[in-house]
Amino acid sequence: DAKTTQPTSMDCAEGRAANLPCNHSTISGNEYVYWYRQIHSQGPQYIIHGLKNNETNEMASLIITEDRKSSTLILPHATLRDTAVYYCIVRVNSGGYQKVTFGTGTKLQVIP
Amino acid sequence: DVKVTQSSRYLVKRTGEKVFLECVQDMDHENMFWYRQDPGLGLRLIYFSYDVKMKEKGDIPEGYSVSREKKERFSLILESASTNQTSMYLCASSLISGGGTDTQYFGPGTRLTVL
Repeated sequence: DAKTTQPTSMDCAEGRAANLPCNHSTISGNEYVYWYRQIHSQGPQYIIHGLKNNETNEMASLIITEDRKSSTLILPHATLRDTAVYYCIVRVNSGGYQKVTFGTGTKLQVIP
Repeated sequence: DVKVTQSSRYLVKRTGEKVFLECVQDMDHENMFWYRQDPGLGLRLIYFSYDVKMKEKGDIPEGYSVSREKKERFSLILESASTNQTSMYLCASSLISGGGTDTQYFGPGTRLTVL
């Protein structure tokens, strides 16, 4: 799987948009970009994924650059409950047996 | 919503005890996984299962076994717990979507301490 690079930490004011960047310059054509987050002492929570088009769901938006070498996860109105470590990973579709591997992620602190 | 539940959030056991960790998913997913998560080591795959009674070793199966008698339930067994098995244990399940991706959904985790 391609490797990803994320900033170690970020702060965001409550109510503002949180924009979390991720670089994946060696991504392959069949690899998807996935985002998970992990609130302290809890299991990882799936947020969103995409291949090349931008995606939006009830939690967040995912913007993938045209060359697919980077992406941005957007939380439109951050709340204190969004404080967590956010993991960006790239995964190939392997038929369902592929493990999930997290890097170090971005620790997002939402500030009141 | 996908729901993956684990039998305990916190567990304390003694060295040599047999430990059972249970995981149940309610979305009819074929694939289920057991990971452990340790500081500095990230997520490591212990075992996974792609069907009832089927199991495959992950990266660190030593000291563990699994059981999948029903589609919704995947159990992790520590035959003789040791202190180096103190960890956060995470269960996940996935379903291959029509688009071919396999999004894994995780349970809340079980923090196991072996004394």
